[in-house]
Amino acid sequence: KAGVTQTPRYLIKTRGQQVTLSCSPISGHRSVSWYQQTPGQGLQFLFEYFSETQRNKGNFPGRFSGRQFSNSRSEMNVSTLELGDSALYLCASSRDRGSSGANVLTFGAGSRLTVL
Amino acid sequence: GEDVEQSLFLSVREGDSSVINCTYTDSSSTYLYWYKQEPGAGLQLLTYIFSNMDMKQDQRLTVLLNKKDKHLSLRIADTQTGDSAIYFCAESMNYGGSQGNLIFGKGTKLSVKP
Repeated sequence: KAGVTQTPRYLIKTRGQQVTLSCSPISGHRSVSWYQQTPGQGLQFLFEYFSETQRNKGNFPGRFSGRQFSNSRSEMNVSTLELGDSALYLCASSRDRGSSGANVLTFGAGSRLTVL
Repeated sequence: GEDVEQSLFLSVREGDSSVINCTYTDSSSTYLYWYKQEPGAGLQLLTYIFSNMDMKQDQRLTVLLNKKDKHLSLRIADTQTGDSAIYFCAESMNYGGSQGNLIFGKGTKLSVKP
């Protein structure tokens, strides 16, 4: 069973550019969440998508956006990149637990973004 | 507000037990989790515990939950060098349909000396 696949694994951009990261969830998983990981702030929740709809959003500026496709694959986009956007971006997928049950997230290996 | 705190470092000798501690602030948390991250990799779920339980054991891992003190611990018995990694504590709230929003601690880096 394939895991969560994130592409690209590494990328370097310059300030002001924009970037798109991709996430393919585990087959059968309909929920996709994105997290930003930095040494200073740790893991911070960006947003969660389920059935092509954003279900929850973290406290990030509007430069950070995402979407989910009908096959559950998800992309996130960061526009007008800043140096502080350098981070490991992690995607996680899960089955829908409804209103109860544990959030068993399976994470991908991440996309490491460096902004110069 | 929601906050999860952990000590940043722990060093143990191979064969000893490791205990990683975590405190959380949201009393409405329904599940608490432990994840492991090895260098260059994403997070791997180790175990989780429902908030109405006190203890959960899974092979070498024992999770203890003190809901009154909002304290969670992970004990790794017979720690091996392969257990060296960063361990994250996380909590989730029941938002009635929202299942992706885990709040993570900053992680405890476990170093195992041979």
